[in-house]
Amino acid sequence: GAGVSQTPSNKVTEKGKYVELRCDPISGHTALYWYRQSLGQGPEFLIYFQGTGAADDSGLPNDRFFAVRPEGSVSTLKIQRTERGDSAVYLCASSSDGAGGRNEQFFGPGTRLTVL
Amino acid sequence: AQSVTQLGSHVSVSEGALVLLRCNYSSSVPPYLFWYVQYPNQGLQLLLKYTSAATLVKGINGFEAEFKKSETSFHLTKPSAHMSDAAEYFCAVSGYNTGFQKLVFGTGTRLLVSP
Repeated sequence: GAGVSQTPSNKVTEKGKYVELRCDPISGHTALYWYRQSLGQGPEFLIYFQGTGAADDSGLPNDRFFAVRPEGSVSTLKIQRTERGDSAVYLCASSSDGAGGRNEQFFGPGTRLTVL
Repeated sequence: AQSVTQLGSHVSVSEGALVLLRCNYSSSVPPYLFWYVQYPNQGLQLLLKYTSAATLVKGINGFEAEFKKSETSFHLTKPSAHMSDAAEYFCAVSGYNTGFQKLVFGTGTRLLVSP
C-alpha cells in the first residue's frame, strides 16, 4: 500500500481479555516501530524491529505485551490480560531502515484500544 | 536519558499571525531533532528534521525550525498561520543515548488558529 496501515482502527475489549493489533508497514521498509499514545501525551516507544528480529524492546511496559514480525513485514502487537490502563492509541511506524535515526518514520493512523 | 520539553500545551494565534512553537531538548551529545504534526484521527506526519547539517531547517507547509545548540532549542516557526495549520504538534529527539532508532516525543502543543 501507499502508507502504513493498522487494523482495527478501534478495539473495545473487557478487562482481562487478550487483544491483537496489526500493522502493515510500507512495502520494502525494514524497520518497524510500535508506540503508545495516551490521552494528552506524546507517543511513547514500545518496540523496534529490524527485519524479523526485535532490536530494541526496552519500551514494553511488562510481560503482558509482546510483538512479532515473523516474515519481516507485517507485525502484530499482542496484549494479554488487558487492564484499563492499557487504553490508549497504539501507533505503528516504519522506515526504510533504522540506521542512525536519520530516516523518516512514517506513521499509521493508529488503533484506539479501549479496555472496559 | 534524552528528552524534549514543549512549553505550552496550547498556543492560539490569529490567521496570518506568526506561529512559534517551543521545543527544548536535553542531550549530552548533538541529537537528531524532528517536528511532527498530527491532525485529528490521522497519523503523525513529519514536518522537518535536523540531522547535523544546516542549523536552519525548512519543512513542508511553510514551517521552519532552527537548531540552537547554545540554547538547546529547536523552535518551530511559520511566518503566517493558516486555518489549516490547526493541529497537534510534537517535537521529538533521537540520538546516541536513545540508540538512534527510537524517537522520544514531547507532550505536544495544540495550535489553535482563529479567523
